[in-house]
Amino acid sequence: EPEVTQTPSHQVTQMGQEVILRCVPISNHLYFYWYRQILGQKVEFLVSFYNNEISEKSEIFDDQFSVERPDGSNFTLKIRSTKLEDSAMYFCASTGRTRLAGHQETQYFGPGTRLLVL
Amino acid sequence: GENVEQHPSTLSVQEGDSAVIKCTYSDSASNYFPWYKQELGKRPQLIIDIRSNVGEKKDQRIAVTLNKTAKHFSLHITETQPEDSAVYFCAASMTVQEKLTFGTGTRLTIIP
Repeated sequence: EPEVTQTPSHQVTQMGQEVILRCVPISNHLYFYWYRQILGQKVEFLVSFYNNEISEKSEIFDDQFSVERPDGSNFTLKIRSTKLEDSAMYFCASTGRTRLAGHQETQYFGPGTRLLVL
Repeated sequence: GENVEQHPSTLSVQEGDSAVIKCTYSDSASNYFPWYKQELGKRPQLIIDIRSNVGEKKDQRIAVTLNKTAKHFSLHITETQPEDSAVYFCAASMTVQEKLTFGTGTRLTIIP
């Protein structure tokens, strides 16, 4: 079955450094998302992306965050100047029709990137 | 914005018994309600979802019920097995393409 993939699986960075998290959504999907999950907490929405532009963003997604679809297959999340509180698991997700869901659209998550800011 | 509450936060069930997890949501415009299972350190995996034009949906041992009037939906797992042990999250959105608002999760433990 096609899956959403993410790289790297783990990233350790110093406070103030820039990080780029990468995602490859499922190939025929059109809607892309970033979520984050602080350890032991619920999954929180960051941003959604459709037709090469942001369709919605949360309060968490401030000027330090940006997203890009640079080449038609990758979908990236950049954090310009990381803070300690950015430490979390970051999940990419995409939506589209897949055989798994019986031809209904559903939102699929990647394996996540665990970001640790020191 | 949407707010999703989930109960209980932890649930222990004897193997073979049933487990029920309940969620309420605040935005009557929400129409899509998925349930995700998350094992430790892994991605959330969709296990079942329901749309607002349906009151109940079943897939083998898993069922979801939706009461739009009361704005609540529930996950039912029957004949529980040890591999059902995980954290379960409910979520809500207006459509499947829009952002998901997640509940706080239920840690389900199946006691052999």
